[in-house]
Amino acid sequence: AQTVTQSQPEMSVQEAETVTLSCTYDTSENNYYLFWYKQPPSRQMILVIRQEAYKQQNATENRFSVNFQKAAKSFSLKISDSQLGDTAMYFCAFMKPDRGSTLGRLYFGRGTQLTVWP
Amino acid sequence: SAVISQKPSRDICQRGTSLTIQCQVDSQVTMMFWYRQQPGQSLTLIATANQGSEATYESGFVIDKFPISRPNLTFSTLTVSNMSPEDSSIYLCSVADIPGRITYEQYFGPGTRLTVT
Repeated sequence: AQTVTQSQPEMSVQEAETVTLSCTYDTSENNYYLFWYKQPPSRQMILVIRQEAYKQQNATENRFSVNFQKAAKSFSLKISDSQLGDTAMYFCAFMKPDRGSTLGRLYFGRGTQLTVWP
Repeated sequence: SAVISQKPSRDICQRGTSLTIQCQVDSQVTMMFWYRQQPGQSLTLIATANQGSEATYESGFVIDKFPISRPNLTFSTLTVSNMSPEDSSIYLCSVADIPGRITYEQYFGPGTRLTVT
C-alpha cells in the first residue's frame, strides 16, 4: 500500500510571508501523480496543485508551488505571499493510476493545519 | 469545473437507523468515489462507485454496511446502515474524468456531516 506522511500537524505564518508544508510518500511505482488539497473550515476540499511524477519541472499555480524531489520521495508545498484566506487544513495526496488507465484512487496524508495570522 | 452537490449537508441520526447520502454531478463523469473523514482525521476511501455494476470496496468496508448505487454517470448514493456513534463522520463523494478537465484530477463534493447519537 502507498503511504503518505505529513510530519507537521500544525503550522502558522504571518500574512504576506512564505510558508512550506512538507510531504513524503512511499511507493515502488514509477508512474504516479501527487496533489495538494486544501480544506477550509467550510470543509469543501479544493484541489490546489498537481504534479506528474514523469515531469521534472515543479508545478506552479499562482502563489502555490511545489518542490518535487522524486528520488527522495518528497513533495513539499510552498505558499508565497500568504493570505488570511489560506487558513485551512492542507492534505497531500498520492495517486497510482490503475493498469491501462490514468485514473485511480487517492491516498491521503493526515494533513497540516495552516493558520495565517495578520 | 463540474458542480458537485451532496444531500443532505448534515444530519443527526439515531443509532440503528440508516441514512442515504446523494451525490449529483452536473456532467457525466467516469469515476465516482466515496470517502469518509472521521473527526480530526484524514480521508479514507470507502469504495469506488461503478456505473451499472457493483461498487468496489476497500478493505474494512463492506456492502452490507455501506451499500452504494450508481444508476448513471451523474449520480450516486451511499447508504450508511445500522448506524452507531462510530459512524459519525463527514462523508464526501469525489469525481474524476470530468469533461474539460485533466482526466486524473479528482474533485470533491461539499460533504455530508453525519452525527449518530
